Amino acid sequence: DGGITQSPKYLFRKEGQNVTLSCEQNLNHDAMYWYRQDPGQGLRLIYYSQIVNDFQKGDIAEGYSVSREKKESFPLTVTSAQKNPTAFYLCASSIPRGAGANVLTFGAGSRLTVL
Amino acid sequence: QKEVEQNSGPLSVPEGAIASLNCTYSDRGSQSFFWYRQYSGKSPELIMFIYSNGDKEDGRFTAQLNKASQYVSLLIRDSQPSDSATYLCAVINAGNTPLVFGKGTRLSVIA
Repeated sequence: DGGITQSPKYLFRKEGQNVTLSCEQNLNHDAMYWYRQDPGQGLRLIYYSQIVNDFQKGDIAEGYSVSREKKESFPLTVTSAQKNPTAFYLCASSIPRGAGANVLTFGAGSRLTVL
Repeated sequence: QKEVEQNSGPLSVPEGAIASLNCTYSDRGSQSFFWYRQYSGKSPELIMFIYSNGDKEDGRFTAQLNKASQYVSLLIRDSQPSDSATYLCAVINAGNTPLVFGKGTRLSVIA
């Protein structure tokens, strides 16, 4: 079955450490996204990529970095510059045009806790 | 910053009743409107989307869009306890930028 796989599901980080969250999709979608969700809050866009080797900052990109070397993969690195990284991180993908355009399919999420 | 506003709730309805969830948006050029359901601790799942003014029905769910009033709603008929979740409204603003989400409305269906 096609879908999006995020790993790890739970991650603990010490202050000052960088961590990388994995996101892999086999849906053949061109566009991929990273959102952050805090308790009682909606989703806020961190980064998105509409094509391989290209990505754009979202509303809260500071302290995060991404790469898009392959169509299937869009890893997110939470750097030590992100002062409050404890949150639920959601990866999503979509097709940018045509029928079903912009309908996001989400992974199961990664929950990051800073110790 | 283009805004999407929802009442955070909780909205409590008895089993079998109609639940009405509302969403307003600030960008008059917004093109596409989505409703997602999110159970606690899980990722959002798409309920339905709507592009044109009027109503769109899918089973027990009806989305209503009024672009003049910048208002989109979701009606859930014959509400079930399994419908208890947070409902997220999301909008594609002018320029085809990624979805902007509201903070969600928590719905509780009481058996």
